[in-house]
This record gives sequence, C-alpha cells and structure tokens, in this order.
Amino acid sequence: GAVVSQHPSRVICKSGTSVKIECRSLDFQATTMFWYRQFPKQSLMLMATSNEGSKATYEQGVEKDKFLINHASLTLSTLTVTSAHPEDSSFYICSARVGHGGYTFGSGTRLTVV
Amino acid sequence: KQEVTQIPAALSVPEGENLVLNCSFTDSAIYNLQWFRQDPGKGLTSLLLIQSSQREQTSGRLNASLDKSSGRSTLYIAASQPGDSATYLCALRARENQGGKLIFGQGTELSVKP
Repeated sequence: GAVVSQHPSRVICKSGTSVKIECRSLDFQATTMFWYRQFPKQSLMLMATSNEGSKATYEQGVEKDKFLINHASLTLSTLTVTSAHPEDSSFYICSARVGHGGYTFGSGTRLTVV
Repeated sequence: KQEVTQIPAALSVPEGENLVLNCSFTDSAIYNLQWFRQDPGKGLTSLLLIQSSQREQTSGRLNASLDKSSGRSTLYIAASQPGDSATYLCALRARENQGGKLIFGQGTELSVKP
C-alpha cells in the first residue's frame, strides 16, 4: 500500500534553533501533502496544505513564517519549525491523499524544545 | 460548519466483548469518511474508508457503517482483543472541500483488558 515515510521520529532542540521534518511518499506521487499538529490527548489539528511546486496554504492562526513548508517534488514535503520555542513542542504528522479518496499518514515526529 | 463528534471519549471493556464506537457529523454533504487507529506516540493507521455512496465496509473483525441522513457512522469491533487497545479516530472529507482536507473527531480511547 501507499506509504509515507516521516523523519525524524523524535527530535530535541534548543530554543531559538530550527528543526526540519521530512515526509516522503515511497511508492506513489503525492501532489498534495497535509501537515497536522497534535497535542496530548487531543485530535489532529490541520496546520497547512502543501501542493507540489506551489506555496502552501495555511490554516487560520498558523504562522507561516514560523512553520515553513516546502513541497519541491512529488515525493518530498518538508516542514521547518523556525526559531523554535517550548510552546512549539508537539507531535507533528504529515498525510497524503491516495487512490479512491483515502489518506495515508506518516508515523509522526515528536518535537521537544528545551 | 461541519463538526465531527466521537462518543465516548474513552472506553474500557473486557477481552472478547463486541463493541461499537460512534462518530456523528453535522452536515450530511460528505465525500467520504475514514476510520483510523492511533497507537500512543505513533501516526495513524487507516482501518476502513467508506465512500459517500456506500453504507458499510468490512475488514476482518471490523465493520464500519455510514448513515448520512442521520449524520452517523459506527465502527463495530467483534471479539475485542488487548491488541485492539488504541485511540480510534473518525475523519471525513466534506463534499464542498476542494482542498481535500479531513475533519477529525476527538477520538475514542479504547482499552481492552485481558
């Protein structure tokens, strides 16, 4: 089946630094990638939608200058958390649409900012 | 505005019991509905996808139904096992949603006791 590989699975960074999270579609081409954030015991919150070769569309309240999304190819989308702060600590998950309207998700990245 | 609600938020059952998880939505104009499983600290695993024109889907011990007129979907798990313990999320894609965004419920945390 369609697989999205997400890396890293866990990352700890210092306040003020930037962190890049990668999502690769392994056996299909993902023209659209969705980026979610999840707080403990809560559901997924959509942050942005990225389309290959164009600018990402951010949801209301999401800072586009803090969460940089790049979708340069049909198999790779990246999320960069810039100038990270402890409140950015969260679980980040990417997702891509697959055949018949379904969706496949990456395994998630646990970001801890210290 | 489409809203998705899952009840109960948490459920604990003894092994072997049949159980039903509920998902309700406010707008019947949906494109499809998908049930996911999420283990702690992990990404989402797709369980069943129901298209708007379908009434139910089955996979092994799982059966998902869809009733658009009443705004409900149920996930039936037969003969539950401890390995079924996880959080179950329903998510739908609204018909007017050209961007393909999913709207998630809050999830039901299931615990199956040996």
